[in-house]
Amino acid sequence: ETGVTQSPTHLIKTRGQQVTLRCSSQSGHNTVSWYQQALGQGPQFIFQYYREEENGRGNFPPRFSGLQFPNYSSELNVNALELDDSALYLCASSLVGATYGYTFGSGTRLTVV
Amino acid sequence: KQEVTQIPAALSVPEGENLVLNCSFTDSAIYNLQWFRQDPGKGLTSLLLIQSSQREQTSGRLNASLDKSSGRSTLYIAASQPGDSATYLCAVLIQGAQKLVFGQGTRLTINP
Repeated sequence: ETGVTQSPTHLIKTRGQQVTLRCSSQSGHNTVSWYQQALGQGPQFIFQYYREEENGRGNFPPRFSGLQFPNYSSELNVNALELDDSALYLCASSLVGATYGYTFGSGTRLTVV
Repeated sequence: KQEVTQIPAALSVPEGENLVLNCSFTDSAIYNLQWFRQDPGKGLTSLLLIQSSQREQTSGRLNASLDKSSGRSTLYIAASQPGDSATYLCAVLIQGAQKLVFGQGTRLTINP
Protein backbone atom coordinates (compact mmCIF):
# COMPACT_ATOMS: atom_id res chain seq x y z
CA GLU A 1 0.00 0.00 0.00
CA THR A 2 1.57 3.27 -1.10
CA GLY A 3 1.15 6.42 0.95
CA VAL A 4 0.49 9.97 -0.21
CA THR A 5 3.23 11.39 -2.42
CA GLN A 6 3.73 15.05 -3.24
CA SER A 7 5.92 16.83 -5.76
CA PRO A 8 8.01 18.84 -5.90
CA THR A 9 9.57 18.82 -2.42
CA HIS A 10 10.74 22.42 -2.57
CA LEU A 11 9.93 25.30 -4.88
CA ILE A 12 11.02 28.92 -5.16
CA LYS A 13 8.82 31.31 -7.14
CA THR A 14 8.72 35.05 -7.75
CA ARG A 15 5.80 37.21 -6.62
CA GLY A 16 3.12 37.35 -9.32
CA GLN A 17 4.01 33.98 -10.85
CA GLN A 18 1.80 30.90 -10.93
CA VAL A 19 2.59 27.51 -9.37
CA THR A 20 1.22 23.96 -9.64
CA LEU A 21 1.71 21.40 -6.88
CA ARG A 22 0.94 17.72 -7.35
CA CYS A 23 -0.32 14.92 -5.13
CA SER A 24 -0.93 11.21 -5.54
CA SER A 25 -3.46 9.72 -3.14
CA GLN A 26 -2.96 6.67 -0.99
CA SER A 27 -4.16 3.55 -2.76
CA GLY A 28 -7.89 3.01 -2.15
CA HIS A 29 -8.63 6.59 -1.08
CA ASN A 30 -11.12 8.64 -3.10
CA THR A 31 -10.93 12.14 -1.60
CA VAL A 32 -8.05 14.58 -1.61
CA SER A 33 -7.67 17.64 0.61
CA TRP A 34 -5.11 20.43 0.56
CA TYR A 35 -3.81 22.35 3.58
CA GLN A 36 -1.51 25.34 3.98
CA GLN A 37 0.81 25.44 6.97
CA ALA A 38 2.63 28.68 7.78
CA LEU A 39 5.74 28.45 9.95
CA GLY A 40 4.86 27.72 13.57
CA GLN A 41 1.14 27.33 12.86
CA GLY A 42 -1.27 24.46 12.47
CA PRO A 43 -2.38 23.51 8.95
CA GLN A 44 -5.29 25.47 7.47
CA PHE A 45 -7.85 23.79 5.18
CA ILE A 46 -7.80 25.04 1.58
CA PHE A 47 -10.26 22.68 -0.14
CA GLN A 48 -11.25 19.07 -0.71
CA TYR A 49 -12.03 17.16 -3.90
CA TYR A 50 -14.27 14.14 -4.32
CA ARG A 51 -15.40 12.64 -7.62
CA GLU A 52 -13.37 15.31 -9.41
CA GLU A 53 -15.43 18.14 -7.92
CA GLU A 54 -14.67 20.60 -5.12
CA ASN A 55 -16.39 19.28 -2.01
CA GLY A 56 -15.67 21.97 0.55
CA ARG A 57 -13.49 25.07 0.69
CA GLY A 58 -11.78 27.03 3.42
CA ASN A 59 -11.20 30.76 3.64
CA PHE A 60 -8.87 31.07 0.65
CA PRO A 61 -9.27 33.39 -2.37
CA PRO A 62 -10.23 32.10 -5.84
CA ARG A 63 -6.64 32.32 -7.04
CA PHE A 64 -6.23 29.03 -5.16
CA SER A 65 -7.76 26.35 -7.37
CA GLY A 66 -7.50 22.64 -7.78
CA LEU A 67 -8.20 19.57 -9.81
CA GLN A 68 -8.79 15.92 -9.08
CA PHE A 69 -8.19 13.34 -11.79
CA PRO A 70 -9.96 10.01 -12.41
CA ASN A 71 -7.10 8.16 -10.68
CA TYR A 72 -7.74 10.36 -7.58
CA SER A 73 -4.49 12.27 -7.95
CA SER A 74 -4.76 16.04 -7.56
CA GLU A 75 -3.21 19.39 -8.36
CA LEU A 76 -3.20 22.64 -6.41
CA ASN A 77 -2.77 25.76 -8.52
CA VAL A 78 -2.00 29.18 -7.11
CA ASN A 79 -2.08 32.23 -9.38
CA ALA A 80 -0.61 35.67 -8.79
CA LEU A 81 1.64 34.49 -5.98
CA GLU A 82 2.06 36.74 -2.97
CA LEU A 83 4.84 36.72 -0.37
CA ASP A 84 2.34 35.44 2.25
CA ASP A 85 1.77 32.32 0.14
CA SER A 86 5.16 31.08 1.35
CA ALA A 87 4.30 27.99 3.39
CA LEU A 88 4.32 24.21 3.55
CA TYR A 89 1.50 22.81 1.40
CA LEU A 90 0.18 19.48 2.57
CA CYS A 91 -1.97 17.02 0.67
CA ALA A 92 -4.13 14.50 2.52
CA SER A 93 -6.21 11.62 1.21
CA SER A 94 -9.03 9.67 2.79
CA LEU A 95 -12.09 7.63 2.08
CA VAL A 96 -15.19 9.80 1.72
CA GLY A 97 -16.46 10.62 5.20
CA ALA A 98 -12.97 10.13 6.65
CA THR A 99 -14.14 7.30 8.92
CA TYR A 100 -10.58 5.96 9.04
CA GLY A 101 -8.92 9.36 9.26
CA TYR A 102 -6.59 11.19 6.91
CA THR A 103 -3.19 10.24 5.52
CA PHE A 104 -0.87 13.15 4.80
CA GLY A 105 2.01 13.52 2.39
CA SER A 106 5.41 14.98 3.16
CA GLY A 107 4.47 18.38 1.78
CA THR A 108 5.82 20.91 -0.69
CA ARG A 109 7.76 23.86 0.74
CA LEU A 110 6.89 26.92 -1.37
CA THR A 111 8.97 30.07 -1.02
CA VAL A 112 7.79 33.23 -2.77
CA VAL A 113 10.43 35.93 -3.20
CA LYS B 1 -16.80 28.24 14.60
CA GLN B 2 -14.69 25.32 15.82
CA GLU B 3 -11.47 26.34 17.55
CA VAL B 4 -8.79 23.93 18.74
CA THR B 5 -6.24 24.87 21.39
CA GLN B 6 -3.18 22.93 22.47
CA ILE B 7 -1.41 23.50 25.76
CA PRO B 8 1.46 23.81 26.36
CA ALA B 9 2.93 25.32 23.19
CA ALA B 10 6.31 23.84 24.05
CA LEU B 11 7.51 21.24 26.52
CA SER B 12 11.00 20.04 27.43
CA VAL B 13 11.45 17.00 29.68
CA PRO B 14 14.24 14.53 30.52
CA GLU B 15 14.27 11.13 28.89
CA GLY B 16 12.18 8.46 30.61
CA GLU B 17 9.44 10.71 31.92
CA ASN B 18 5.76 10.09 31.30
CA LEU B 19 4.01 13.14 29.88
CA VAL B 20 0.60 14.45 28.85
CA LEU B 21 -0.23 16.77 25.97
CA ASN B 22 -3.56 18.57 26.03
CA CYS B 23 -6.01 19.49 23.29
CA SER B 24 -9.31 21.33 23.72
CA PHE B 25 -12.03 22.14 21.21
CA THR B 26 -14.99 24.49 21.42
CA ASP B 27 -17.72 22.55 19.56
CA SER B 28 -18.49 19.01 20.75
CA ALA B 29 -20.19 18.11 17.43
CA ILE B 30 -17.14 16.30 16.11
CA TYR B 31 -16.95 13.18 13.96
CA ASN B 32 -13.52 12.09 15.14
CA LEU B 33 -10.23 13.41 16.53
CA GLN B 34 -6.80 12.59 15.17
CA TRP B 35 -3.36 13.08 16.74
CA PHE B 36 -0.42 13.67 14.42
CA ARG B 37 3.33 13.97 14.78
CA GLN B 38 5.36 16.39 12.66
CA ASP B 39 9.14 16.45 12.45
CA PRO B 40 10.75 19.78 11.44
CA GLY B 41 9.95 20.69 7.84
CA LYS B 42 8.19 17.39 7.23
CA GLY B 43 4.65 16.16 6.67
CA LEU B 44 2.21 14.78 9.23
CA THR B 45 2.32 11.23 10.56
CA SER B 46 -0.92 9.93 12.02
CA LEU B 47 -0.52 8.55 15.54
CA LEU B 48 -4.01 7.81 16.79
CA LEU B 49 -7.59 8.26 15.59
CA ILE B 50 -10.47 8.37 18.07
CA GLN B 51 -14.05 8.18 16.82
CA SER B 52 -16.59 10.40 18.58
CA SER B 53 -18.19 7.31 20.19
CA GLN B 54 -14.87 6.13 21.69
CA ARG B 55 -13.18 7.17 24.92
CA GLU B 56 -9.59 6.20 24.18
CA GLN B 57 -7.16 4.57 21.78
CA THR B 58 -3.76 3.03 22.44
CA SER B 59 -0.75 2.36 20.26
CA GLY B 60 2.45 1.17 21.93
CA ARG B 61 3.61 3.84 24.39
CA LEU B 62 0.89 6.26 23.26
CA ASN B 63 -2.60 6.57 24.70
CA ALA B 64 -5.14 9.15 23.58
CA SER B 65 -8.35 9.91 25.42
CA LEU B 66 -11.43 11.83 24.33
CA ASP B 67 -14.06 13.56 26.46
CA LYS B 68 -16.46 15.03 23.94
CA SER B 69 -18.78 16.59 26.48
CA SER B 70 -15.99 18.69 27.97
CA GLY B 71 -14.28 19.28 24.62
CA ARG B 72 -10.96 17.74 25.63
CA SER B 73 -8.46 15.17 24.47
CA THR B 74 -5.14 14.15 25.97
CA LEU B 75 -2.17 12.34 24.48
CA TYR B 76 -0.21 10.37 27.05
CA ILE B 77 3.35 9.33 26.17
CA ALA B 78 4.93 6.75 28.45
CA ALA B 79 8.67 6.39 29.05
CA SER B 80 9.63 9.22 26.69
CA GLN B 81 12.66 8.84 24.40
CA PRO B 82 14.77 11.42 22.50
CA GLY B 83 13.22 10.09 19.28
CA ASP B 84 9.83 11.33 20.50
CA SER B 85 11.04 14.91 20.01
CA ALA B 86 8.72 16.51 17.45
CA THR B 87 5.65 18.74 17.20
CA TYR B 88 2.39 17.03 18.12
CA LEU B 89 -0.82 18.27 16.51
CA CYS B 90 -4.40 17.40 17.30
CA ALA B 91 -7.16 17.88 14.76
CA VAL B 92 -10.94 17.45 14.88
CA LEU B 93 -13.19 16.51 12.00
CA ILE B 94 -16.39 18.49 12.26
CA GLN B 95 -19.66 16.64 11.74
CA GLY B 96 -21.09 17.43 8.31
CA ALA B 97 -17.95 19.24 7.18
CA GLN B 98 -15.11 18.05 5.05
CA LYS B 99 -12.19 19.58 6.87
CA LEU B 100 -9.89 18.99 9.79
CA VAL B 101 -9.47 21.85 12.23
CA PHE B 102 -6.01 21.82 13.79
CA GLY B 103 -4.51 23.17 16.95
CA GLN B 104 -1.20 25.03 16.73
CA GLY B 105 0.70 22.10 18.13
CA THR B 106 2.91 21.30 21.10
CA ARG B 107 6.65 21.29 20.38
CA LEU B 108 8.12 18.47 22.48
CA THR B 109 11.81 18.09 23.29
CA ILE B 110 13.07 15.00 25.13
CA ASN B 111 16.53 15.57 26.62
CA PRO B 112 18.91 12.58 26.88
